[in-house]
Amino acid sequence: AQKVTQAQTEISVVEKEDVTLDCVYETRDTTYYLFWYKQPPSGELVFLIRRNSFDEQNEISGRYSWNFQKSTSSFNFTITASQVVDSAVYFCALSGEVVFGAGTILRVKS
Amino acid sequence: DARVTQTPRHKVTEMGQEVTMRCQPILGHNTVFWYRQTMMQGLELLAYFRNRAPLDDSGMPKDRFSAEMPDATLATLKIQPSEPRDSAVYFCASGSGTDQGGYTFGSGTRLTVV
Repeated sequence: AQKVTQAQTEISVVEKEDVTLDCVYETRDTTYYLFWYKQPPSGELVFLIRRNSFDEQNEISGRYSWNFQKSTSSFNFTITASQVVDSAVYFCALSGEVVFGAGTILRVKS
Repeated sequence: DARVTQTPRHKVTEMGQEVTMRCQPILGHNTVFWYRQTMMQGLELLAYFRNRAPLDDSGMPKDRFSAEMPDATLATLKIQPSEPRDSAVYFCASGSGTDQGGYTFGSGTRLTVV
């Protein structure tokens, strides 16, 4: 069975702090994809990144970076210099039926 | 930008009534998902289709829920009869099954059953 665990229920930081959101997954598939989605207070789900299980290179996109470690089944997400607009619920997800973790609420205070 | 369109955005109905939620996937996307989001359960997969064929609907209460894709441009989720515990936000998402890119979600239908 596939499972995604986001152990951090809620994180609060002050603006400009760096923050890392943890994601641990379980799957028996040898090929799979991992995703991160953002759900701002408006409620829509916004796709952030997809990662192929064969590609363990870390990825950086602006203030966002992702650390994929197959050895520990983790796919962590770091926001550098957080901003108030980053406040949202962040979900990690696993293919093929796209199983979602419970989400981490991030609150960034000014 | 292409988007997934869900209607209605909000629905309030009385217990026992039939509810139909509609989703227009992005043109060319062959995979469609239905999810339900509640505070208690988070995001639950209800059903998903590939090339209009249902691949998995094990997450759906079969006695009252049904999901269909009458054509490639429309997916429907019906609840009959509705119950207060069905109150939730229902999301539709679509994607291309060939590259498993990020699935695009609709804005959701907020259902309240009173």
